[in-house]
Amino acid sequence: EADIYQTPRYLVIGTGKKITLECSQTMGHDKMYWYQQDPGMELHLIHYSYGVNSTEKGDLSSESTVSRIRTEHFPLTLESARPSHTSQYLCASSEGRHYGDLSTDTQYFGPGTRLTVL
Amino acid sequence: DQQVKQNSPSLSVQEGRISILNCDYTNSMFDYFLWYKKYPAEGPTFLISISSIKDKNEDGRFTVFLNKSAKHLSLHIVPSQPGDSAVYFCAASEYPSNTGKLIFGQGTTLQVKP
Repeated sequence: EADIYQTPRYLVIGTGKKITLECSQTMGHDKMYWYQQDPGMELHLIHYSYGVNSTEKGDLSSESTVSRIRTEHFPLTLESARPSHTSQYLCASSEGRHYGDLSTDTQYFGPGTRLTVL
Repeated sequence: DQQVKQNSPSLSVQEGRISILNCDYTNSMFDYFLWYKKYPAEGPTFLISISSIKDKNEDGRFTVFLNKSAKHLSLHIVPSQPGDSAVYFCAASEYPSNTGKLIFGQGTTLQVKP
């Protein structure tokens, strides 16, 4: 199982502040992901990365941005937080494994950051 | 259009009995399926997975069944324990896919009563 870390675990901030949510993994995984999840709802992919210097937007539109300068680090930034950004943010990584033409890639998640914007 | 659906928002079972959580999907290109367990304010924990070339995979108390013709999978937990009380998400991925993106269901909250 991957060792993947997120900080802070909880964050309460005022509207208009710039924030960065940290995510690091120690397994050398090439692929990393950011999801957003609200209570009772599914996880929505907001960003992903194949590797260093590779970032893509996910299925759910997000005002956040990400960077991937090092394999182990995938921070997410909100330039100006708003109450609509209140949510749980989950980071994940995977090896990108497959068996022939079949995917066998398992994502492992960090503990998440619970963000509240007042 | 939700491609992965968990139609039961909640399930309550007695300790020691079997818990059966269900998941349906619509995309026939999905070829890998996973179950995650999630406690409030924590990240999902990987439980078990199954490839589309199989119809059953077992790991301890957890067994996942896949019925491709019905586009249906289920997670069986036996015997259920109070510590199993959590939200369970099924997820699916499509290959070949450079992203390895997972599509998640809405989750089912399992309560195991002592």
